[in-house]
Amino acid sequence: RKEVEQDPGPFNVPEGATVAFNCTYSNSASQSFFWYRQDCRKEPKLLMSVYSSGNEDGRFTAQLNRASQYISLLIRDSKLSDSATYLCVVNPSAGNMLTFGGGTRLMVKP
Amino acid sequence: EPEVTQTPSHQVTQMGQEVILRCVPISNHLYFYWYRQILGQKVEFLVSFYNNEISEKSEIFDDQFSVERPDGSNFTLKIRSTKLEDSAMYFCASSALRAEYTIYFGEGSWLTVV
Repeated sequence: RKEVEQDPGPFNVPEGATVAFNCTYSNSASQSFFWYRQDCRKEPKLLMSVYSSGNEDGRFTAQLNRASQYISLLIRDSKLSDSATYLCVVNPSAGNMLTFGGGTRLMVKP
Repeated sequence: EPEVTQTPSHQVTQMGQEVILRCVPISNHLYFYWYRQILGQKVEFLVSFYNNEISEKSEIFDDQFSVERPDGSNFTLKIRSTKLEDSAMYFCASSALRAEYTIYFGEGSWLTVV
C-alpha cells in the first residue's frame, strides 16, 4: 500500500465550482498533515496545515479523520488561478521527513 | 518574503561525472533538506540536516550522495558519480524548526544526466 495515496485526476471544473480532493495515508502514527500546491515544474508551496478539528482558510477547507486515516481538501468558488497539482503531505513520525502523495491535478476552466 | 535560493537552475552532466547543487536556506532557519522529483513522479525525501549533521535520510540517499554546510550560509548536495536515473528536479528546503512546521522550498535545480 502506498504511504500517501491520492487520485491523480485531472479534475476539470468550471470557474465557481466547488471541488473536493481526498487522500489516504498508511501510517497510523503520522503526526502532521499538510496540503501543498505545485504548479507545473515549480516547487511545492504550502497551502495549509491540516488539524484534527478541521480548519479553513478563505475558500479552502481541510479536514482530517485520524480513525479512517483520511485527509480532505475542499475548494469553494474555484478560480482559474487554482489550476495546479495539489499534494497531500504527511509527516509520518516525529522526525523531519515529509512523505508526499503523487498529487491531484486540478484544471479550472472559464 | 525570505526565500530559499538554489543554483544552478538547470545543469546537464555526463554520466559518471560529479555534480554539486547549491542552496542558500532562509537565514534564521535551523533545519535543511533535500528532496527530489523525477519527471512525472512524486516528490521524494532525500535527507535532512540539523546542527551540522544528517538527522535523517532515505533509502535513495546512498553512498553516492553527500551533503555539506561549508560555511554559514550554503548547503550543498553532491552526487559523486551521476547515473541516468539521477535526472530529476532537486529541491532544497529549510524550516525554522522541525518538519511539523512550515517548510519552505527553493525553486529547484533541474539535473539532466546524459
